[in-house]
Parts: sequence; C-alpha cells; structure tokens
Amino acid sequence: AQSVSQHNHHVILSEAASLELGCNYSYGGTVNLFWYVQYPGQHLQLLLKYFSGDPLVKGIKGFEAEFIKSKFSFNLRKPSVQWSDTAEYFCAVNARQKVTFGTGTKLQVIP
Amino acid sequence: EPEVTQTPSHQVTQMGQEVILRCVPISNHLYFYWYRQILGQKVEFLVSFYNNEISEKSEIFDDQFSVERPDGSNFTLKIRSTKLEDSAMYFCASSPPPGQKETQYFGPGTRLLVL
Repeated sequence: AQSVSQHNHHVILSEAASLELGCNYSYGGTVNLFWYVQYPGQHLQLLLKYFSGDPLVKGIKGFEAEFIKSKFSFNLRKPSVQWSDTAEYFCAVNARQKVTFGTGTKLQVIP
Repeated sequence: EPEVTQTPSHQVTQMGQEVILRCVPISNHLYFYWYRQILGQKVEFLVSFYNNEISEKSEIFDDQFSVERPDGSNFTLKIRSTKLEDSAMYFCASSPPPGQKETQYFGPGTRLLVL
C-alpha cells in the first residue's frame, strides 16, 4: 500500500522568506504526485502535479516542486512567501486510482 | 471552469440517523471518489467508483457506508446509523478516464456533525 509522509507539521515564516515543505512517499510502482492547498475555511485546491517528464514542475502562485525518484521525494518550494500563502498544504500520491494524502503541513506566514 | 459540487454544505444529524451526501462530479469524468477529513486530521480515502461499481474501498468504508450513482449526474454517499465518530468533512472528487492525466478534482465538501 502507498503511504505519504510530511515531516513538517507546522511551519512559521516571515513574509519574503523561502519555503520548502518535505514530502516522501512509498510505493513500488508508477505514481502521480500532487500538492494540494487548503486555505482556512475552504476546500482542497490543486497547486501542482507531476505525471512524467521534467521532474521540476511549476504550479500556481509561484509554487514549484521537484520529483526526486531515487529519494521518493516531492518537495514543495516557493522562493518568497506571502501572508496570503497561510494555509495547510497536503502532499498526495495517486496510484491505481486511489489518492493517499499526507498528514498536511500548516504554514503560517507572519507579515 | 467546470467544478465538482456538493450538497448540503453542512449537515447536522442525530446519532443513529441515516444521511445522504450528494455530489455532482464534472460531467465528462468517469471515476468518482469519496474522502473524509476528521477535524484536525488528514484526508482519508473512503471509496472509488467506476462503471457503476466500487473499484476500491478502504477499511473505513464498512457496511455502514454505501455509494450510488442514481442518475447520470449525481453521486451519493449514504451513511446508515451514523455514529459520533462519523463527524467529519466529506469530500467528493472526480477524475477523467485513465490516460488523461488523472488529476482528481475535489468538491468543496460537506461538513457532517453527528450529535
């Protein structure tokens, strides 16, 4: 069975700081990888996704993620965060039509 | 842009009652899913549905739960005899046929509170 680990449960950053959220997964076969964001009181929104090809994928709002197959990782990055990035971020793996989510990372950006 | 919609947005029920949560997936999608998120916890997969039958389900999806696609547009989750621990946000999702970049698109969720 697949599993997803997000090691940072709560991250606090000042505006303009750089962000990197870790995500590791375990699954032996082909996977599709995603980052979702959940703003306070809102539903899950897709930030970016990786299916194949260039392991560095760019998403909305200046986010990017890098798939490193050898490390089973798909870390999320943003060079300069804004207060509006305050939200919970979920890494997810889709294998065999089943999405498994990580436990989420709460990001708090201080103005 | 097409969206997954869910009704109701909030549902309060008494323990032991039955609830039906409704979802309208994106119209050309063929795979449908239910997830739940207990407050403060991660999103958990419940069930996937394709071609009018369950294709995969988790250990959470026991006999208390059932899904149905009663017509060409709705996809429902029925919870029989609700328990306090069923209180959660329930998300519906849908995705296109395989081979079309299988992103799952999520609805806004139904917040279920069992008293």
